Amino acid sequence: KQEVTQIPAALSVPEGENLVLNCSFTDSAIYNLQWFRQDPGKGLTSLLLIQSSQREQTSGRLNASLDKSSGRSTLYIAASQPGDSATYLCAVFGSNDYKLSFGAGTTVTVRA
Amino acid sequence: KAGVTQTPRYLIKTRGQQVTLSCSPISGHRSVSWYQQTPGQGLQFLFEYFSETQRNKGNFPGRFSGRQFSNSRSEMNVSTLELGDSALYLCASSPADSYTGELFFGEGSRLTVL
Repeated sequence: KQEVTQIPAALSVPEGENLVLNCSFTDSAIYNLQWFRQDPGKGLTSLLLIQSSQREQTSGRLNASLDKSSGRSTLYIAASQPGDSATYLCAVFGSNDYKLSFGAGTTVTVRA
Repeated sequence: KAGVTQTPRYLIKTRGQQVTLSCSPISGHRSVSWYQQTPGQGLQFLFEYFSETQRNKGNFPGRFSGRQFSNSRSEMNVSTLELGDSALYLCASSPADSYTGELFFGEGSRLTVL
């Protein structure tokens, strides 16, 4: 059974600092890994999708890496802003079970 | 282009009742999947439909069911509601025929069971 872990569970940083969010998964048989953002009481917003054959994806201030063999992904957010405050979730789509397994998320607070 | 639309956004039911939630995917998307989000269990996969066929389902009791219509709109039903069914139910759609596509989520339906 795929287990997805996100560390830390929460972090608070001053505005302008770079954010590093970690995600690990136990089964490397995946089609892809996706990072999402969730604001309180809202749905999920897709940030980046990395296919299993890719090593990284970039979008604006966001960069995500994927090391499938070690079961790790890292989301980097450069020059954080108060508007980046949210919960960030990673999810892997398994090629054995054909379903999306989520981590518990990292709640980020960016202080102005 | 309109996003994924879920209705109703909020609802309150009592134990033993049943509930039906609706999801309209992004136009052109044929895959619809459902997830339950609770503080204790996080996000858990319920089931996925593609072209009116259930392709996969998670580990939920038979009280949870769903269907997809020819226009790709989907409904999920929960019968004999229990207090533990209180959750945010999220629907996602994907454009891909395969399992490699990006998922786009709706705002969710928040169900409270009293």
